[in-house]
Amino acid sequence: DAKTTQPPSMDCAEGRAANLPCNHSTISGNEYVYWYRQIHSQGPQYIIHGLKNNETNEMASLIITEDRKSSTLILPHATLRDTAVYYCIVGLRGNKLVFGAGTILRVKS
Amino acid sequence: GAVVSQHPSWVICKSGTSVKIECRSLDFQATTMFWYRQFPKQSLMLMATSNEGSKATYEQGVEKDKFLINHASLTLSTLTVTSAHPEDSSFYICSARDGTSGMDTQYFGPGTRLTVL
Repeated sequence: DAKTTQPPSMDCAEGRAANLPCNHSTISGNEYVYWYRQIHSQGPQYIIHGLKNNETNEMASLIITEDRKSSTLILPHATLRDTAVYYCIVGLRGNKLVFGAGTILRVKS
Repeated sequence: GAVVSQHPSWVICKSGTSVKIECRSLDFQATTMFWYRQFPKQSLMLMATSNEGSKATYEQGVEKDKFLINHASLTLSTLTVTSAHPEDSSFYICSARDGTSGMDTQYFGPGTRLTVL
């Protein structure tokens, strides 16, 4: 599985967009980019995933660069409840997920 | 999104006893489930992959005789921590693969906190 690199922490003002970057320069052609988040003492929550095209759902948008070596998760209007650890994971569809350290996002009022 | 439950949500046991944790997919069938362990202030560590009707595949360094996994049905997998010791105290989390919707997404349970005295 390809490795990912994420900043250890980020701050975001409440109501503003949160843009979380992820580098995955060794991603292979059939590997997907998955995003999960974990709020303290809970199981991870699925956010979004994509292969090549940008994706959007009710929670977030995923922007994948054309060379697929990096991606950005966008939370359009961050709230205090979005404070969590965000994990960017690269892997084959339906296969095991290998978690890295993730990014601690702190949303501040 | 799909729902995965775990039972119990927390358990305290004495050293040397065994503890069973259940993981259920409530609104979908999961041919594959995964078990993770998370220590305080650390990331999730994959322990094993559980396939319905077959033996689990354990990650390197995980003792299969200590962490018994059974995936007897398409909606239930169990993890039994045998002869638990204080160093087994951790947050155990399962995930279930939903391949029915076409998205092939993994959904996680809420976790089980195990404390061994």
